Amino acid sequence: EAEVAQSPRYKITEKSQAVAFWCDPISGHATLYWYRQILGQGPELLVQFQDESVVDDSQLPKDRFSAERLKGVDSTLKIQPAELGDSAMYLCASSLTASYNEQFFGPGTRLTVL
Amino acid sequence: QKEVEQDPGPLSVPEGAIVSLNCTYSNSAFQYFMWYRQYSRKGPELLMYTYSSGNKEDGRFTAQVDKSSKYISLFIRDSQPSDSATYLCAMETSYDKVIFGPGTSLSVIP
Repeated sequence: EAEVAQSPRYKITEKSQAVAFWCDPISGHATLYWYRQILGQGPELLVQFQDESVVDDSQLPKDRFSAERLKGVDSTLKIQPAELGDSAMYLCASSLTASYNEQFFGPGTRLTVL
Repeated sequence: QKEVEQDPGPLSVPEGAIVSLNCTYSNSAFQYFMWYRQYSRKGPELLMYTYSSGNKEDGRFTAQVDKSSKYISLFIRDSQPSDSATYLCAMETSYDKVIFGPGTSLSVIP
């Protein structure tokens, strides 16, 4: 069964360091999402891609976060510099199209900033 | 007021019980309503998706939407220990991003 892949699964870093997360969506899925989920809360959208284009990054803290999906397939989310408040689960999801279709989530990357 | 509210629990029930999970929302533009299940250390997975008011049944799960009251529910019949997870309600307008509730933690005790 096709799945969304994410790596690493866990990342521990010190504040002010740079971190990067990778996501490989389900093959053929044009839309890719990055969410942040703080413990005890629901996922919050950081950025949405349609193919290689950003269609919504209104909640992405652009002073420290960046995301790219260069060939419209896999994607990287970067934080530089990391802050204590960035500790959270970072989830990647994909769907066939941007209009509502089921979003398939990856296992997430658990980030701890010390 | 948050757009989507959900009792965080934790909710603990004996095996075989009927479970009722609920969300309220404030944005009357929401048209699509979903329930996701999230096991510990895993990503959410879609359980139920509804568009209109009324009930939708899938096996032991029933999703109920009352747009006039801005209230949605998920019922789980004959609950099993494998149902122990966090349940997230989610909703979307016809053109906007999905908004998730904070989730309710459920434990089904054998």
